[in-house]
Amino acid sequence: QKEVEQNSGPLSVPEGAIASLNCTYSDRGSQSFFWYRQYSGKSPELIMFIYSNGDKEDGRFTAQLNKASQYVSLLIRDSQPSDSATYLCAVSGYSTLTFGKGTMLLVSP
Amino acid sequence: DVKVTQSSRYLVKRTGEKVFLECVQDMDHENMFWYRQDPGLGLRLIYFSYDVKMKEKGDIPEGYSVSREKKERFSLILESASTNQTSMYLCASSFRGQNYGYTFGSGTRLTVV
Repeated sequence: QKEVEQNSGPLSVPEGAIASLNCTYSDRGSQSFFWYRQYSGKSPELIMFIYSNGDKEDGRFTAQLNKASQYVSLLIRDSQPSDSATYLCAVSGYSTLTFGKGTMLLVSP
Repeated sequence: DVKVTQSSRYLVKRTGEKVFLECVQDMDHENMFWYRQDPGLGLRLIYFSYDVKMKEKGDIPEGYSVSREKKERFSLILESASTNQTSMYLCASSFRGQNYGYTFGSGTRLTVV
């Protein structure tokens, strides 16, 4: 059974700080990795994807991938209260994505 | 703006009723998926389809069936609704291949009473 593990949180950070969200996965064959943001009562929204080892930056978001350690992370710089949401990590399999249960992020003003 | 549209945002049904949840996407995606999401359990895959008239069981198919007669439409059917099927149901679609993420619909919150 493929597994994707995330700390459920909540992760609390003050406004302007860096939020670091982490994810580990069990399937060494996974090739693609995704981060989704889900606001309370809403559906998940894709915010980042990464395929290669290293860092990928998009605005305030940086995704980091280390396939040897089977570890993927999402950094949010200059966190804003509007970033308060649950962040889901998803890992590709042969035909479907496997999702973690998500980490709740709370950014306080 | 590309979309995955679910027919109902909220639905209340009685135990034993047959329930249809509809999902339509306008992105020409090959793959379509049905998930349910419950607190503490995360997203659980019910069924998916990678082509018209094709379907594959996910992790929790019991009590559900699906239909995909057209590429853009994927229906989830609860044959005889039960209270333990009260949940948020999310439809998603994607292009075929491992490098593509999913686009989700806005969800249907189903309550079975």
